[in-house]
This record gives sequence, C-alpha cells and structure tokens, in this order.
Amino acid sequence: GENVEQHPSTLSVQEGDSAVIKCTYSDSASNYFPWYKQELGKRPQLIIDIRSNVGEKKDQRIAVTLNKTAKHFSLHITETQPEDSAVYFCAAGAGGTSYGKLTFGQGTILTVHP
Amino acid sequence: EAQVTQNPRYLITVTGKKLTVTCSQNMNHEYMSWYRQDPGLGLRQIYYSMNVEVTDKGDVPEGYKVSRKEKRNFPLILESPSPNQTSLYFCASSLRGGQDKTHTDTQYFGPGTRLTVL
Repeated sequence: GENVEQHPSTLSVQEGDSAVIKCTYSDSASNYFPWYKQELGKRPQLIIDIRSNVGEKKDQRIAVTLNKTAKHFSLHITETQPEDSAVYFCAAGAGGTSYGKLTFGQGTILTVHP
Repeated sequence: EAQVTQNPRYLITVTGKKLTVTCSQNMNHEYMSWYRQDPGLGLRQIYYSMNVEVTDKGDVPEGYKVSRKEKRNFPLILESPSPNQTSLYFCASSLRGGQDKTHTDTQYFGPGTRLTVL
C-alpha cells in the first residue's frame, strides 16, 4: 500500500520567515495530495490540495509543489504569522477517479515565534 | 448550519464491550470516512464510503466495522474493543470524494471522539 513520509517532525521559525514541509510517497498511482492544518484541540482543516496533473498551486501565502518523478510534494508558507502555529499533515490519495483511500504523513509541528 | 457531528465526544469503556460511534452530516455528501489519530502516527484511515452501501477498507480496518445505509450516517462499530483501540477518532465527509477533478473537494472533519478502552 501507500506510504507517506513527512519531514521535519518539528519546525520552528521567526515571524515573517518562510516555512517548508516536505512529504514523499511510494505509490506512483497516487494522484491527489491535500494538506491539512490542525490547531491544538481542534479538528483538521484542509488548507490546500493539488492533483498530479498540476506542478504547483498557490493560495495567498500558501503554496504546494509536486514532483511526480521524484514522488515528493512540499508545502510552502511565506511571511509566517503566529496564527500559522499548528500541526500540518500531508496526505496522498490512491489512484483512480477519486481520492477514496487517503494515507497521511506523521505530521509537522510548526511553531512561529513573534 | 453545515456540519459533521459525532457522538459521543468522549467515551471510557472496558475491553470486549461492543460500542458504536455515530457520525452524521447534513451536507448531502457522498463521501464519508473514519480516521484514528495517535501521537506520532498522524491520521490513519480506518474505512471510507463513496456512497450508500459502498464501503472500503482504509489502512487500519482491523477490529472495526462500518455501515452506510443512509447517505447522512456512517457509524463506526467496535464489536470487541481492546486497549490498542484507545485513540482519538475523526469522521469526515466531502461532496464527491474528489471525483470532480476540476474543483477542490474539501473534506470536512467532525469534532472528534476520544475513546479510552480499559
């Protein structure tokens, strides 16, 4: 089955700096790659996603890049703010017409210091 | 208000006592899924359902059962709970499970159920 590795497990940055979280996946048939943000004690929320027919997607300060050949994708957060502090999860969706089966990475604890 | 609800939110039980965690969504979503979250392991998918009467295994289905008899409900059943099933459980739903490739199909999570099996 699919295996998703996420790095780093913790990331500490100063406010205004950029943060990058990387994930690798094993199943070349995976074609859907979402990123979720989970604040302490809250439920995960989708922040951005990308499909395998697109190399990059951007939404304001957040961007995701995908390298299908190398089987890795990354989350980029620019101009970080204290409210960006949370746990971030990447995931890979099984191949096919939908993302029915989703495999998640282990999570990255991002801390943004004011 | 559009939402995913789970009940109960907290449950302490004993080994072997059958339990059901309910999940309901009011958004007419086709896709529903169950996850468990454990420290250091992230979220792991237990089962998912693409529509009524259509269910399939995720990465960790052992010890769990699900059913999808109606579109809005997707209960998680633990026939004989064991201590290794102590975890935080999330139900989630999305409109069409990502089948529309031209649009983001946001998966909405419920508030979570914290289960302790003694």
